[in-house]
Amino acid sequence: GESVGLHLPTLSVQEGDNSIINCAYSNSASDYFIWYKQESGKGPQFIIDIRSNMDKRQGQRVTVLLNKTVKHLSLQIAATQPGDSAVYFCAESSAGNNRKLIWGLGTSLAVNP
Amino acid sequence: EPEVTQTPSHQVTQMGQEVILRCVPISNHLYFYWYRQILGQKVEFLVSFYNNEISEKSEIFDDQFSVERPDGSNFTLKIRSTKLEDSAMYFCASSQLGMGAGELFFGEGSRLTVL
Repeated sequence: GESVGLHLPTLSVQEGDNSIINCAYSNSASDYFIWYKQESGKGPQFIIDIRSNMDKRQGQRVTVLLNKTVKHLSLQIAATQPGDSAVYFCAESSAGNNRKLIWGLGTSLAVNP
Repeated sequence: EPEVTQTPSHQVTQMGQEVILRCVPISNHLYFYWYRQILGQKVEFLVSFYNNEISEKSEIFDDQFSVERPDGSNFTLKIRSTKLEDSAMYFCASSQLGMGAGELFFGEGSRLTVL
């Protein structure tokens, strides 16, 4: 049947804790992955990216892990802050379609003070 | 900090009417994109544009849609005859390099409501 609206997975964490947001992808040919953050009423904001020749990449307070064997991507946020509350999307692209991002459903992160 | 700007922020239109959504990408960027997000659903790719032509488009981007870069700064999305299911948030994005070599910068979106 047709989905009228999808219920987002939600992750609720305490301020200061670490957050882990997971994403599964299905296209074995995907070789570039990005995490975006979308705050309410705003456009997606780039967080971090990773190419398929890497399995880990670190940014400021964020780490992306890529497991190509099981087609799994995760975003780790250290010392989560209230300002981290948002919907987080993973997106993928492949060398053959490298200007077209395929987006995941999104995970809503709620940070409790 | 340079940013992608979109107008209007919200447009309400009657079914069958033409709509033009406008975007001003970041000035030194070469690649331009439109995405849309129906409320509560995934972000969906519509079209990418480079060197004054469409480089990729999705199944959603049918004959009712067109894009144009009429001058050196604007990038527009036109929907010729809007349908109820076109109601969504439309995001413009730009990048300096092609995908995989640089990040996309998104505007804040234009919400289209078709009645």
